[in-house]
Amino acid sequence: EPEVTQTPSHQVTQMGQEVILRCVPISNHLYFYWYRQILGQKVEFLVSFYNNEISEKSEIFDDQFSVERPDGSNFTLKIRSTKLEDSAMYFCASSDRQGDTEAFFGQGTRLTVV
Amino acid sequence: TQLLEQSPQFLSIQEGENLTVYCNSSSVFSSLQWYRQEPGEGPVLLVTVVTGGEVKKLKRLTFQFGDARKDSSLHITAAQPGDTGLYLCAGLANQAGTALIFGKGTTLSVSS
Repeated sequence: EPEVTQTPSHQVTQMGQEVILRCVPISNHLYFYWYRQILGQKVEFLVSFYNNEISEKSEIFDDQFSVERPDGSNFTLKIRSTKLEDSAMYFCASSDRQGDTEAFFGQGTRLTVV
Repeated sequence: TQLLEQSPQFLSIQEGENLTVYCNSSSVFSSLQWYRQEPGEGPVLLVTVVTGGEVKKLKRLTFQFGDARKDSSLHITAAQPGDTGLYLCAGLANQAGTALIFGKGTTLSVSS
């Protein structure tokens, strides 16, 4: 069964450092998403991406965040200068169409900023 | 701001019991989705409900979307220990949008 894969599973970084979280969406999907879940809190939408551009972003997705699809398979989330409060599980998801559709989530990357 | 409130937050029951968890909002959603999340893993989609009043069944799980599309429920019949997990509801605010809004979830524990 096709799945969304994320690497690394766990990333520890020092405050102020840049991190890149990587995702390989399901191959025939066209819409890609990043969500985050701070420990003990709800899953929060960060950004959606379609046709090589951002479709929608939340207030959380400020200038320190960026997304990219550098090739035909990878979808990355870059955090330029990490802060302690960026520590969370980051989930990548993909879907084959917009609207009332199934979004498939990856296993997540646990980011710990120290 | 659209919010999804889930209740109860925690539920601990014995194997064989029935249970219902609720997902409520003051806003209308074009669809609602139910996910199950295991510790340290990503949410796994269980079902999407789209039409007001819709009822969908997935084995022992029954999902209902309210007539006004503001609320949904998940009913589990004869719960089993394998049903243990975090159940999340999520809504797509509008069909033209892409962002899912999640509730905080209901943590279900089924003991044998």
